This record gives sequence, structure tokens and C-alpha cells, in this order.
Amino acid sequence: QKEVEQNSGPLSVPEGAIASLNCTYSDRGSQSFFWYRQYSGKSPELIMFIYSNGDKEDGRFTAQLNKASQYVSLLIRDSQPSDSATYLCALPPGGYNKLIFGAGTRLAVHP
Amino acid sequence: DAGVIQSPRHEVTEMGQEVTLRCKPISGHDYLFWYRQTMMRGLELLIYFNNNVPIDDSGMPEDRFSAKMPNASFSTLKIQPSEPRDSAVYFCASSLVAGGDGYTFGSGTRLTVV
Repeated sequence: QKEVEQNSGPLSVPEGAIASLNCTYSDRGSQSFFWYRQYSGKSPELIMFIYSNGDKEDGRFTAQLNKASQYVSLLIRDSQPSDSATYLCALPPGGYNKLIFGAGTRLAVHP
Repeated sequence: DAGVIQSPRHEVTEMGQEVTLRCKPISGHDYLFWYRQTMMRGLELLIYFNNNVPIDDSGMPEDRFSAKMPNASFSTLKIQPSEPRDSAVYFCASSLVAGGDGYTFGSGTRLTVV
């Protein structure tokens, strides 16, 4: 089992809808979780991180963490075409000082 | 701050040649990471440094790859000899603390080995 798993997509949503991106992980020792966005041909950029079970909101973005079920998700409200990108889930396995990334989910927001 | 600076942006080289990729982390960041990204394997961690010391190089694919960090403001990733399967985008990232608030990535070096 991979340490971090994501559906590769593409996930296609209409403009204005909610996009839901999911990530599951195998290491129960992981304590922090990160979401990065990567536009085509660009480098990953940090969107959000979450440490505690529950929801964390930042503008149109909400990260959700469920440690018991070992999944973390990212919701994007009022999706815009500019949100079209690949979204990468990342975590430090076993508390080690390094981030392991999932393969990413490609999101396409169409007008 | 200028962010994490990588050079060159693009590199095309012939199989068997030596390739050196360079990275300048954000000033004050104690951690530096080298990643490689391909369509097939995604974003893979190759090696990371803490205070200029290599901590984990378990992701380095083989002896052809080596990385150094002679001081807090400079790191290199060298491939010798290069092979076509090394073609990828190589990213350098730095962080103030381990994991902590996430990493800041450089713009990457797109390496093509022909």
C-alpha cells in the first residue's frame, strides 16, 4: 500500500460548484497533513495544512481530517476556472522530518 | 525574499555527461530538500539536509546521484554519468522547521538527457 493515495482524476466540476478532493494515508503516526496546488509547468505551492481532527477553513478552501479513518480531504467552494490545477496531498510519515507526496488529483473547472 | 532559487531552469545534455543542478534556499531556512517529479512516479524525495548535514538520502536512486550542501546558502545535485531515464523536473525546497508549515519550492530544473 502506498503511503499516500489520491485519485488521479481528472475531476471535472462546473464553475461555482464545490470540488471535493480526497487523500488516504497508511501511517497512523502521521500528525500533520498538507495540501499543495501545482499548475501545469509550475512548482507546487502550499494551500493549507491541518493537524487536528475536524475542519479548517481558509477562504474558499476547507481541509478536513479524520485520523480514525485515515483520510484528509480538501473542499473548494465556488470553484473558478483558475482553480484548475493538480492538487497534491502530503504528510511526514511516522513523524519524520520529510514530506511524502501523493500522486495528485487533477481538477478541471469548466465555465 | 527572492524565494528558493534554482539554476539552470532547463538543461539538455547527452547521455553519459555530468549534470549539476544548483539551489539557493531561503535565508534562515534550516532544511533543504531535493525532489524529482515525473509523470510515472510523481514527486519523489531524493535527499534532505538539516543545517547543511545530509539526514536522509534513501531516495537517491543510485550511486550516479550525489548531493552536497557546502554552506547554508547553496546546494548541488550532481548526476554522473547521466542517462535518459534521469529526465525529469528536479525541485529544490526549503523549510524553516521540519514539516512544520510546509515547504517553499523553487521553480525547478527541467532536465532532458538525450
